[in-house]
Amino acid sequence: DVKVTQSSRYLVKRTGEKVFLECVQDMDHENMFWYRQDPGLGLRLIYFSYDVKMKEKGDIPEGYSVSREKKERFSLILESASTNQTSMYLCASSLRTGGISPLHFGNGTRLTVT
Amino acid sequence: AQSVTQLGSHVSVSEGALVLLRCNYSSSVPPYLFWYVQYPNQGLQLLLKYTSAATLVKGINGFEAEFKKSETSFHLTKPSAHMSDAAEYFCAVSGPGSTLGRLYFGRGTQLTVWP
Repeated sequence: DVKVTQSSRYLVKRTGEKVFLECVQDMDHENMFWYRQDPGLGLRLIYFSYDVKMKEKGDIPEGYSVSREKKERFSLILESASTNQTSMYLCASSLRTGGISPLHFGNGTRLTVT
Repeated sequence: AQSVTQLGSHVSVSEGALVLLRCNYSSSVPPYLFWYVQYPNQGLQLLLKYTSAATLVKGINGFEAEFKKSETSFHLTKPSAHMSDAAEYFCAVSGPGSTLGRLYFGRGTQLTVWP
């Protein structure tokens, strides 16, 4: 069974802090994704990666960056956290098969910025 | 471009009643379609997927969905709701050659099941 593990379930950070959200998958998937989920807005794609050291902007990349130094790990970085980044963050992974493979999700990190 | 519209952000049914969650898609290529379920404080779990084989797709927990190209729809149904079905449901679309495997999600439908 595919396992996607997000390092923290809950995080509380202060405005202006640099925040790291970590995600690890154990199925040798090429693709990894970071979404944020807000009530009434569904899932919005922040960044994704299709290979080590490769990254692509999603729909809402502003205020975020990512790092993928190893195939199994994909990190989301909030350079200077702001209150409007309070949200649920979901990591996902999939095989590189041109859209036919489903995404496998972690349990999410609920981030609160005060 | 690909997109998904889920009609109804909230659906309420009685236990034992039919569940119908609506999803319409827009895609310039033959789509792949997915339904996911999210229980409170958890990530999303795949319920079922359509990838151009049979148009009626059966998933886990007694759910099924029918792909109707003429209506650009992929509605999710379950004949008899159970209390444990209460969750949020997301429809998603991608397509052959989809940009690096990304899925486009709808805004979700919260299903409430009354005893």
